[in-house]
Amino acid sequence: NAGVTQTPKFRILKIGQSMTLQCTQDMNHNYMYWYRQDPGMGLKLIYYSVGAGITDKGEVPNGYNVSRSTTEDFPLRLELAAPSQTSVYFCASSQAGMGYGYTFGSGTRLTVV
Amino acid sequence: TQLLEQSPQFLSIQEGENLTVYCNSSSVFSSLQWYRQEPGEGPVLLVTVVTGGEVKKLKRLTFQFGDARKDSSLHITAAQPGDTGLYLCAGEFYGGSQGNLIFGKGTKLSVKP
Repeated sequence: NAGVTQTPKFRILKIGQSMTLQCTQDMNHNYMYWYRQDPGMGLKLIYYSVGAGITDKGEVPNGYNVSRSTTEDFPLRLELAAPSQTSVYFCASSQAGMGYGYTFGSGTRLTVV
Repeated sequence: TQLLEQSPQFLSIQEGENLTVYCNSSSVFSSLQWYRQEPGEGPVLLVTVVTGGEVKKLKRLTFQFGDARKDSSLHITAAQPGDTGLYLCAGEFYGGSQGNLIFGKGTKLSVKP
């Protein structure tokens, strides 16, 4: 089972460039999430989706956009990259309902220079 | 805004020692989860607790959910180097968006041989 697959693993961007972080899951989970993790700061929710065609902002959405055209895919778009977006990004998925654990991808380490 | 406080932030022990890490909030959890994260990887779910006073065991790991559902602890018996990692607690709160977890900042555990 692949679970949650994120690409790329590493990326260096220049200030002002754009990119899309890819996330796909093969568990037929309705819920999908994007988090960023900064040292000593824990995981912060950027965007989430409860199903295809439905997305909503999390705690730190500025500078990011998402789409959810299929159950499997939940790409995260960075427009006009800034040094503050240097972070490790994690995609996760879960079954709908309370108490279900998240399955995380292995992350994308992004550096903006 | 619900906050999850984890303590201690860092813990360095020798192989064979016991340890306990804590997760606390001023709000009541509808459910709480513990994850372990190794360097370069995404968090991996260890356990979910939903009932006040609940105790769950996973080999040498014992998880306890407080009676009032505002706190939880993770106890490791006879720690081994393989237990090294970042331990994250994450809670769902009543009144929050269903399926959205709030993560603590984590306890970074190092077990030396």
